Amino acid sequence: NAGVTQTPKFRVLKTGQSMTLLCAQDMNHEYMYWYRQDPGMGLRLIHYSVGEGTTAKGEVPDGYNVSRLKKQNFLLGLESAAPSQTSVYFCASSLDPGQPMTYEQYFGPGTRLTVT
Amino acid sequence: AQKVTQAQTEISVVEKEDVTLDCVYETRDTTYYLFWYKQPPSGELVFLIRRNSFDEQNEISGRYSWNFQKSTSSFNFTITASQVVDSAVYFCALSPWNDKIIFGKGTRLHILP
Repeated sequence: NAGVTQTPKFRVLKTGQSMTLLCAQDMNHEYMYWYRQDPGMGLRLIHYSVGEGTTAKGEVPDGYNVSRLKKQNFLLGLESAAPSQTSVYFCASSLDPGQPMTYEQYFGPGTRLTVT
Repeated sequence: AQKVTQAQTEISVVEKEDVTLDCVYETRDTTYYLFWYKQPPSGELVFLIRRNSFDEQNEISGRYSWNFQKSTSSFNFTITASQVVDSAVYFCALSPWNDKIIFGKGTRLHILP
């Protein structure tokens, strides 16, 4: 069991470039999440998904898009990267029988993104 | 407003000392969940505990214990006889039934040998 994996681990982008971060989980979890972690800010929820084909906005969704075409994958896209999107991005998944975000989440190792 | 406050940004203690990490929360919901996560230097977040708003029983797991007090809206975490391996950033999180999860800003804990 790999748990939650994220690709890539590191990336440097120039302002205006686009990229997609891939998150995969092999635990058959319904719910998946994308967070960003900035120094002194804790984790902030970007977008989440309660099942295949569904997505919803979190606390800081602007500048990001997501897709959940397959249950095991959750993609985070940056269409036009900005320096303010320099951060560490974490993906997570959870079982949550019922209401999302009410059970423990399993986190991936993170992606460190720098936008210059 | 929904809010989680971890007032201690950074704490240093000598190994074998006990240490308490504070977490104070605000929510309008009567049903909510509280969590603690650990982020060791490797970077990956690890789940420690989950508690719902109707269960005020304190919990002990080895050297770790949690004190949940609804009267003061606090969910504090104590490590007894700390060890160097406990050095990490610890996050408290609140998930209200009718809103999204919110994480505190974290407390960085240094255990000095």
